[in-house]
Amino acid sequence: KQEVTQIPAALSVPEGENLVLNCSFTDSAIYNLQWFRQDPGKGLTSLLLIQSSQREQTSGRLNASLDKSSGRSTLYIAASQPGDSATYLCAVRPDSGAGSYQLTFGKGTKLSVIP
Amino acid sequence: EAQVTQNPRYLITVTGKKLTVTCSQNMNHEYMSWYRQDPGLGLRQIYYSMNVEVTDKGDVPEGYKVSRKEKRNFPLILESPSPNQTSLYFCASSFSFPGDEQYFGPGTRLTVT
Repeated sequence: KQEVTQIPAALSVPEGENLVLNCSFTDSAIYNLQWFRQDPGKGLTSLLLIQSSQREQTSGRLNASLDKSSGRSTLYIAASQPGDSATYLCAVRPDSGAGSYQLTFGKGTKLSVIP
Repeated sequence: EAQVTQNPRYLITVTGKKLTVTCSQNMNHEYMSWYRQDPGLGLRQIYYSMNVEVTDKGDVPEGYKVSRKEKRNFPLILESPSPNQTSLYFCASSFSFPGDEQYFGPGTRLTVT
């Protein structure tokens, strides 16, 4: 069964720093990987979706990479701002078989950007 | 505005009293699903629907029912809620499966006493 791990569980950085959030998954047979942001008590907002055939996706200050063979993805945030403070989750979708209609989520990394 | 809406946003109820949480999307999405989020356990899928009248179980379907009679709506039904169903519930949708990004509703915080 697919397992998704995000380390660290929490991260605190000063404003302006560049940072990397990590996501690893145990089964490399994935269709795609998606990064989300969740603010306290709120829903999830999609940040980036990477298909299995892609290596990376960029949106503004965010860059997500995918190394399917090693079961890893990273989310790079450039020039962090206090407004980036949130919990970041990654989720993978299997490319076939039982569970292929489901997303498997990591438990998230809680990011705090200190002014 | 393209969105997924859920109602109610907050609900406190008692054990055994049937309730329905509604979910609606205005993006003509085919795929819809329900998740629950619990501390330490993360997000877990309850049910999903590939299209009208097509539903299937996720990882934690016990105690829940769903229906998909219209493309835009996907209600979650708790016929006899119990305290272990106290959780934060999210509805999600995507245009099709499996390549499209998921859009999430704002969440429904349910407390069962």
